[in-house]
Amino acid sequence: GQSLEQPSEVTAVEGAIVQINCTYQTSGFYGLSWYQQHDGGAPTFLSYNALDGLEETGRFSSFLSRSDSYGYLLLQELQMKDSASYFCAVRGGGGGFKTIFGAGTRLFVKA
Amino acid sequence: DGGITQSPKYLFRKEGQNVTLSCEQNLNHDAMYWYRQDPGQGLRLIYYSQIVNDFQKGDIAEGYSVSREKKESFPLTVTSAQKNPTAFYLCASRATEPNNSPLHFGNGTRLTVT
Repeated sequence: GQSLEQPSEVTAVEGAIVQINCTYQTSGFYGLSWYQQHDGGAPTFLSYNALDGLEETGRFSSFLSRSDSYGYLLLQELQMKDSASYFCAVRGGGGGFKTIFGAGTRLFVKA
Repeated sequence: DGGITQSPKYLFRKEGQNVTLSCEQNLNHDAMYWYRQDPGQGLRLIYYSQIVNDFQKGDIAEGYSVSREKKESFPLTVTSAQKNPTAFYLCASRATEPNNSPLHFGNGTRLTVT
């Protein structure tokens, strides 16, 4: 089966850097994604890693180590609007079509 | 503009009734998904469909049914067999090429069953 673990909550101050970790178990692996969701809204895509290493997209970066079944999302220069829930998601079974999400990390950004 | 439309935004039903949630996309995506989200929790996969006329059970398919007769549409029926149907339901779609195509989500339907 597939499962993901990520911290339930993280708090940081405006302007700081925060790292949200994700470990996963999957029978097949096609990639690890990150999504952001504000309260009451739909999740929106942030980043995707299929290969080991760091992917950078503006203030957000995502890292993957397939040998460790581990990834993280790095948010730099935190802004108040970054307060949201962040989900890691793994594409695994079903020929890579099955996508399972972690329980989410609630990020609180304080002034 | 291309996107995914879920309707209605809020839905109220009495216990024991079946209810169908609509999901339509005009993104020309082959793959479509239904997720359930409970307060403060992650998204749990109910069903997914790789292509028209084909769909697979996710992790929590019991009490739900789907159909995929058209590429654009993937309706979800919450049956009376679903023990705790009150939740936020999210539909998503994804292109199959390129391989790193992300999920695109609709705005969700909040279902309340009393």
